[in-house]
Formats: sequence, structure tokens, C-alpha cells
Amino acid sequence: GNSVTQMEGPVTLSEEAFLTINCTYTATGYPSLFWYVQYPGEGLQLLLKATKADDKGSNKGFEATYRKETTSFHLEKGSVQVSDSAVYFCALLPRENFNKFYFGSGTKLNVKP
Amino acid sequence: KAGVTQTPRYLIKTRGQQVTLSCSPISGHRSVSWYQQTPGQGLQFLFEYFSETQRNKGNFPGRFSGRQFSNSRSEMNVSTLELGDSALYLCASRPDLSGNTIYFGEGSWLTVV
Repeated sequence: GNSVTQMEGPVTLSEEAFLTINCTYTATGYPSLFWYVQYPGEGLQLLLKATKADDKGSNKGFEATYRKETTSFHLEKGSVQVSDSAVYFCALLPRENFNKFYFGSGTKLNVKP
Repeated sequence: KAGVTQTPRYLIKTRGQQVTLSCSPISGHRSVSWYQQTPGQGLQFLFEYFSETQRNKGNFPGRFSGRQFSNSRSEMNVSTLELGDSALYLCASRPDLSGNTIYFGEGSWLTVV
């Protein structure tokens, strides 16, 4: 079946620290992979995506590389800011007809000044 | 281009009542999906509609239902509300069922008392 597993939060970092949020997946075939971010009181926004193995998605200083060998899509940022405090969701979309998205449980990030 | 619009943003209902939530997708998007987000269960898929037909369905009881109109706008209804239905209900749209990115609205916060 299809599923996404994220590291449990909350993750608390100081400003300018390095961020890694782990995400692994189980899927039939080769899905597309996504990171969405949810700021307090808002809906989810697409942060980045990758549609095939070895692709790197990037946006706003965040990066994630589609690793087929390890079925992973870890989110990284070199220097976090207080404004990055949010909940981050990893998701996958299988390559099949009438597919639907599968989301991880979300990882809350708190960045302290 | 306007984003996904959900109404109402906040509402309070009493146990046993019913509620209807509305979603207008991004212009040109014909697929609408609904999710329930709670602190304990994370993001759970309810259903997806395309061309006025339900195409995918999650594991929710029959009290949760939806529909889609010819202009792609969608509504979801929850009947006989329970305290556990208190949640953020998120709507998302994509151009069609092959679209590989979904775009979320800000959600409707439902509190059942």
C-alpha cells in the first residue's frame, strides 16, 4: 500500500540552525513527492515537490531530494528563521489512475530567536 | 488568480445538528477533495469529486457526505454531529484527476459543543 512516515515533533531549533525533517514512504511504483507547510491558522501551502528519482525540489531555502534507494524525501534548510515556525507535511501521489494524495502526520517546527 | 475559497471560516454547532461547508476551487480546476485535520489524527482524506462524481473516498462514516456542482463548487455535509467531529476541514483543488499538485483553502474550523 501507500503511506508516508515523518519524524515526530515538535522540533525546536534556534534561529540560523540547520534543519532536517525526515520523511520516508511506501508506494507502489514511483510516486511524486511533496512537502507542504501549514502556518498557524492557515491551510496547507505547497513548499516543494519532486516527480522522479534523484530530482531535487527547492523553494525559499528549503530542499529535498527524491531518493528511490532509501525511499526517502527528507526536508532540509541550512539556516532557519523564526518565520519558518510551522507544521510541515510530507506527501506522496502514486502514479496510477484516479490516484489520491497520502499525507504524513506532520512535524511541528518551532524556531526560537 | 483567486485561490481556493472556503466558507464559513468558523462555526460552532451543537451535538446532533448538521452542518454544510462550502468550497470554491481555483478557477479552471475541476477536482475538489476534502480533508479533516485534528490534533490527534492528523490529516485524513474524506473524499474527492470530479465532474460532479465522487472518485475517491476515505474511511469515514456515512454521516459525512459531499457533492459537487456543475461549476465545480463543492459542499460537504456532516449530519448528526458528534463532539469528535470538531476539526479543521480543508478543501483542496487540482485541475483534474491527473493533476500532480493540489492547492488548499484556509479551511473551515468546526467546533461541536
